[in-house]
Amino acid sequence: DGGITQSPKYLFRKEGQNVTLSCEQNLNHDAMYWYRQDPGQGLRLIYYSQIVNDFQKGDIAEGYSVSREKKESFPLTVTSAQKNPTALNLCASSILGISRNTIYFGEGSWLTVV
Amino acid sequence: DAKTTQPNSMESNEEEPVHLPCNHSTISGTDYIHWYRQLPSQGPEYVIHGLTSNVNNRMASLAIAEDRKSSTLILHRATLRDAAVYYCILRAGAGIQGAQKLVFGQGTRLTINP
Repeated sequence: DGGITQSPKYLFRKEGQNVTLSCEQNLNHDAMYWYRQDPGQGLRLIYYSQIVNDFQKGDIAEGYSVSREKKESFPLTVTSAQKNPTALNLCASSILGISRNTIYFGEGSWLTVV
Repeated sequence: DAKTTQPNSMESNEEEPVHLPCNHSTISGTDYIHWYRQLPSQGPEYVIHGLTSNVNNRMASLAIAEDRKSSTLILHRATLRDAAVYYCILRAGAGIQGAQKLVFGQGTRLTINP
């Protein structure tokens, strides 16, 4: 089945530690996104990418980095600068020009700082 | 960026219709209105979208005001599985770059009583 696969589903990060969250899609979508959702809050955009080897910062990019070496993969690295204690990190993808096309989301990766 | 306003929460009974309102008074002429919902511990999923005319699909109906400054998501016969947070979203800005930054507010938390 086509879709978005995120891993791991749960991850504990020690302060000062960098971790990488995986996101893979087999929908042949050009655009990919990372959103963060704090408990009880809406989604905020971290990074997005429209094409391989290109990506742009979203509204809350500080403390994060991404890469887009392959069309189907858009990993997110959470660096030690990111102080947020616990959040759901959601990867998504869509066809370019998404004013009417839908966005598909993965199930998310829960990241907790211990 | 065009923003939406939704009630924080709503409650309904099983097998009754539910009308979820959304105000978007700053919508531009080319913005599509999208609805997504997020079940507990999952990523958001697409529900429906429209531009000017009312829309129906197997999940819901979307009623768009004539001036497009508001819309209503209609669940015709709510079930317990419809309990979720519902997000009303507009394409943010014009052009491809603006279209990537979908703005998710806090949405409406829908509770369904058995």
